[in-house]
Formats: sequence, structure tokens, C-alpha cells
Amino acid sequence: KAGVTQTPRYLIKTRGQQVTLSCSPISGHRSVSWYQQTPGQGLQFLFEYFSETQRNKGNFPGRFSGRQFSNSRSEMNVSTLELGDSALYLCASSSRDSGETQYFGPGTRLLVL
Amino acid sequence: GEDVEQSLFLSVREGDSSVINCTYTDSSSTYLYWYKQEPGAGLQLLTYIFSNMDMKQDQRLTVLLNKKDKHLSLRIADTQTGDSAIYFCAESNRSGGSYIPTFGRGTSLIVHP
Repeated sequence: KAGVTQTPRYLIKTRGQQVTLSCSPISGHRSVSWYQQTPGQGLQFLFEYFSETQRNKGNFPGRFSGRQFSNSRSEMNVSTLELGDSALYLCASSSRDSGETQYFGPGTRLLVL
Repeated sequence: GEDVEQSLFLSVREGDSSVINCTYTDSSSTYLYWYKQEPGAGLQLLTYIFSNMDMKQDQRLTVLLNKKDKHLSLRIADTQTGDSAIYFCAESNRSGGSYIPTFGRGTSLIVHP
């Protein structure tokens, strides 16, 4: 099976702009989670989607949002970008058949100038 | 809240065994994981263990769990230069219908000849 894919891999934006990141899960996986990874804060959970519904949410401001489509592909959006949003954004998918273990994509590296 | 702690660095000689340690605070943890992250890449699942097990072996990897002390370790036998990476310990329990892992800050393993 193909792994989790994320697009784009790299992105440069300026403060105040918005950005949309995309994630395609492993075929058959219905749960998609998003994480932010920074040197200062480590890996922080953003949110999880299952069957097009947000099932869990981390402690991030409302500027961070997401959605999931009927084919389980997911997007996350960050509006009004701040310098501190520069990070590696990781997507992970899981399924009951995989023991609920999360399998990660390569990430999208976002730089906000 | 839940907390997972790891030492930041470990340096070993090629061919030696590496032992990476982790402690966690959540006594209701169900799954415990080890992930590996190479530069510029996402997280690769190495192995995971159920909380009712105390050991799991998979080729060069041995995971030991001391549930009483909430201590998890990963032993890599015959460490190679290709094992140089950041290793993340994580724990999860069921929340909102899913298992969302809480990650440690990662241990940078440096393997020198």
C-alpha cells in the first residue's frame, strides 16, 4: 500500500496570509490526525478527523482549522499566518485494522516570513 | 495532563548497543510507541507495545516496559551509523473514540565510527 502523502512538501508565506495543506491517508484508513512540530514545542496535536467529522482537538487557536472529505483525504488551513506558525506540519492516518497506530507522512515544511 | 520525558541526546559507538529511556505519567496508557525521525522526514513507526506486555522484540529492537515505574526503553543491538536519528517515545489511551499519542521531545541518537 502507498503511504501517507502530503502536499506541498515546502511552502513559504508571509505574515497575514493563509495557507492550505493537504494529506492523503493510507488506503482504507479513515482517521487522519494533524500535528505541528517545532524545535521549541516539539510535536503538538492539532486535530483528528474521522468520517468527515472532527473527533478530537488539541489546544490551538481558531486560526487553525481542518476538514476531511468523503474519500478520507484531509486538508488543514491556517489563516492570518504568524511568524510562530513556521513549523513542520505532519499528517498521520490510522485505522482499527492497524491497531489504531498512527502512520505519518513526510510533512509539509512551512516558513512564514 | 499527560507528560512523556526523554533525555535529549545519546552518543554510542558503531557496533555497540544503544538504550533510549522514556518515562511517562499517565497510568491509564494503553499503547506505548517508539518512532524514528530522520532529517527532513516524517515519523517512522518502529514498534509499539500494549500496556499489558513487559517486553517485545523485533529483530535488533527490544522494548522493555516497567508499568509500575512508568518506564519504557528501546534497545538497539549492533547500532549502525544509519540508526542516527531522533527517537520519539509516545503513549496513548482511548479518548473520544481514538488513540491520540502524546510524544516526548525526542532523543537524538548519534552513532560514531
